[in-house]
Amino acid sequence: SQQGEEDPQALSIQEGENATMNCSYKTSINNLQWYRQNSGRGLVHLILIRSNEREKHSGRLRVTLDTSKKSSSLLITASRAADTASYFCATAPNTGKLIFGQGTTLQVKP
Amino acid sequence: SAVISQKPSRDICQRGTSLTIQCQVDSQVTMMFWYRQQPGQSLTLIATANQGSEATYESGFVIDKFPISRPNLTFSTLTVSNMSPEDSSIYLCSAGTNSFYEQFFGPGTRLTVL
Repeated sequence: SQQGEEDPQALSIQEGENATMNCSYKTSINNLQWYRQNSGRGLVHLILIRSNEREKHSGRLRVTLDTSKKSSSLLITASRAADTASYFCATAPNTGKLIFGQGTTLQVKP
Repeated sequence: SAVISQKPSRDICQRGTSLTIQCQVDSQVTMMFWYRQQPGQSLTLIATANQGSEATYESGFVIDKFPISRPNLTFSTLTVSNMSPEDSSIYLCSAGTNSFYEQFFGPGTRLTVL
């Protein structure tokens, strides 16, 4: 069964606003990753947060992880039109391979 | 990091035919994977491509339908056999150092089966 569930499924914001996406999962994990996919192309790795970390930053990205609630959030600050894409969380169980969530489609309007 | 190329980038095929997709990595990597992404859906792992041996398939995927080769550390192929319209998807190759850390993805092959 799918490990990660994301919400919202779709998000539309104005350029300059912040975008927040959430990911929930079911089993214990080694790490959680976020990927971006532009227009049905390949995925680009954005950030990895390990199970013993609570928050991580990379440029305009901020990821949090709450293992007690089995959830993560991705915050994109000061969004740009170029951030328009689908965003996927992927969980890495302690044994096994990456499992991708359903994704959030983000539209940033200029 | 690794740069991954795939070809073809897209194809339109007739029912009952087969298509082989190639994946090339610019550096030696330990793990290579093949995923399917059906229209509007997330990624589903088809199999792990093992160098010099049979691929490891996930539940719901079989070798007869999706034969995979990996003759060396930088190259793999996925064949979609006896295609039907339900096989219309994007097929993605990825590579990484192990199964649960960062993966690098190819641009995907968009397959349409008529």
